[in-house]
Amino acid sequence: AQTVTQSQPEMSVQEAETVTLSCTYDTSENNYYLFWYKQPPSRQMILVIRQEAYKQQNATENRFSVNFQKAAKSFSLKISDSQLGDTAMYFCAFASYNAGNMLTFGGGTRLMVKP
Amino acid sequence: GAVVSQHPSRVICKSGTSVKIECRSLDFQATTMFWYRQFPKQSLMLMATSNEGSKATYEQGVEKDKFLINHASLTLSTLTVTSAHPEDSSFYICSATFTSVSNEQFFGPGTRLTVL
Repeated sequence: AQTVTQSQPEMSVQEAETVTLSCTYDTSENNYYLFWYKQPPSRQMILVIRQEAYKQQNATENRFSVNFQKAAKSFSLKISDSQLGDTAMYFCAFASYNAGNMLTFGGGTRLMVKP
Repeated sequence: GAVVSQHPSRVICKSGTSVKIECRSLDFQATTMFWYRQFPKQSLMLMATSNEGSKATYEQGVEKDKFLINHASLTLSTLTVTSAHPEDSSFYICSATFTSVSNEQFFGPGTRLTVL
């Protein structure tokens, strides 16, 4: 079974600064996907970024980028130029190629962006 | 595209009654739908996975007779909480997928259930 660990329950960052959220996972599989989801106060889950394990290049989406270290089983999220609207819970998630689209979520990190 | 709706967004019911929550994929046919439960300040806990026309697969510890899941079409899944009790109060979220390639799940906005 896979496990996903987010070691930072809460973090804060000043507006316009950069913050990195940590995520580690444990799996014996070689082919999988990793995701970061955002859950703002509205509680709507929003996909932030996705990484396919076979791709060595780190995924980026505008101000969001990941540092994917497959050997270390690490998948951190970097948010640049933080904005007040980035305040939310962030969940790291793992999906195996062979698990029928099933996601395993980490415990989440609550991010507060301060003005 | 890839919008998932849930209805109702909030529901309050008396203990002992049953409550049905609907999850619809609005602009795509969902091959698989998932139901999650989320307690305050916690992560999403997968309750069950359902495929259209077949019985749902429940996660360990989830009572299938209490949480009835029906996936009658490729755009609709329902979760019925039977004989609800205050401990069933929670936030319930559904998600849907339509491809087996990217494993991306599209989430509904959630339903807050309060059992008095």
